[in-house]
Amino acid sequence: GENVEQHPSTLSVQEGDSAVIKCTYSDSASNYFPWYKQELGKRPQLIIDIRSNVGEKKDQRIAVTLNKTAKHFSLHITETQPEDSAVYFCAASIEGSNYKLTFGKGTLLTVNP
Amino acid sequence: DTGVSQDPRHKITKRGQNVTFRCDPISEHNRLYWYRQTLGQGPEFLTYFQNEAQLEKSRLLSDRFSAERPKGSFSTLEIQRTEQGDSAMYLCASSRGLAGNTGELFFGEGSRLTVL
Repeated sequence: GENVEQHPSTLSVQEGDSAVIKCTYSDSASNYFPWYKQELGKRPQLIIDIRSNVGEKKDQRIAVTLNKTAKHFSLHITETQPEDSAVYFCAASIEGSNYKLTFGKGTLLTVNP
Repeated sequence: DTGVSQDPRHKITKRGQNVTFRCDPISEHNRLYWYRQTLGQGPEFLTYFQNEAQLEKSRLLSDRFSAERPKGSFSTLEIQRTEQGDSAMYLCASSRGLAGNTGELFFGEGSRLTVL
């Protein structure tokens, strides 16, 4: 089955800096890669996703890049703000099937004011 | 609130007891998922329903776990003869079916189980 590795497990940045979180996956059939944000005590929520037919996708301060050959994808957050502090999870699945997601272990991002 | 709701939010039980969790998905969603999340880990897939049919179960789901979704609406997850290793957050999520499915899972707040 699919295996998703995520690094780093913790990341601390100063407000205004950029943050990068990286994930690798094992199943070459995976073609849908979402990122979820989970604030303390809250439910995971989708913040951005990318499909294998594109290499990069941006949404305001958030961007995701995908390298299918190397089987890795990354989340980039620019101009970080304290409200970006949360646990971020990457995931992988095969689109068009059941969208069963395999998640990474998560990255605790702390943005210091 | 029209989001995914789960009940109870917290459950403390003694080892060997049975527990049941309920999930009410977003009304127009016909796909429902159960995940388990332990401290410091990402959610792990347990099982998936399309309408009332349980289409896939993880190997993580031992014989002590059973899930149902009668009439394709709410779902229940029952754990029999609980063990301390069952302590976790049980997350329910729902999504649209094939038509209009963007891939996004909408999660509930979770049901936290503590087995003493």
